[in-house]
Amino acid sequence: GQSLEQPSEVTAVEGAIVQINCTYQTSGFYGLSWYQQHDGGAPTFLSYNALDGLEETGRFSSFLSRSDSYGYLLLQELQMKDSASYFCAVKARMDSSYKLIFGSGTRLLVRP
Amino acid sequence: GAGVSQSPSNKVTEKGKDVELRCDPISGHTALYWYRQRLGQGLEFLIYFQGNSAPDKSGLPSDRFSAERTGESVSTLTIQRTQQEDSAVYLCASSLASGGAETQYFGPGTRLLVL
Repeated sequence: GQSLEQPSEVTAVEGAIVQINCTYQTSGFYGLSWYQQHDGGAPTFLSYNALDGLEETGRFSSFLSRSDSYGYLLLQELQMKDSASYFCAVKARMDSSYKLIFGSGTRLLVRP
Repeated sequence: GAGVSQSPSNKVTEKGKDVELRCDPISGHTALYWYRQRLGQGLEFLIYFQGNSAPDKSGLPSDRFSAERTGESVSTLTIQRTQQEDSAVYLCASSLASGGAETQYFGPGTRLLVL
């Protein structure tokens, strides 16, 4: 079966750093994506890790450890606009196609 | 168009009625996905189209749900005999190909309310 686990909610202060963890159990694993979704909005792609290590894109970084079936999203210099839900999603190969399997999301609340 | 579009943006229907939701993917994107998102929940995979290959329908929750796609363009998701538990946001996404599934571009969704 396929499963992903991430915390349901995280609260942090503006300007701080926050880490959102994601553990997964899946067959046919290819990589780990992260998406951001503001209330009432559509999910938007943030990052993708296919290999172990840290990928940095501006204030956001994403990490993957394939051996530990674990990844995280790191948000630095938090801003109020970062308040949103963050989803990890496993890219998995099933039969002859690839799919994204989403976690249930982490709601991030940034306080002043 | 510049992005994925979906229509209608909102739909209120009575229990037992059929509804049809539409998705226009980004031009040139051969892969198209439908998801369901209940309030405060994650994205639940419904169905996936890749070019002219047979669709992956493994996520459809019941035979009341069906979807079609014409070539590599518009897709429609049909829910027959709607039930109150079908109330959710239905999201469509597209990617360049299934090999690019990690980067999906989502439409704004259709918010379905079944009374």
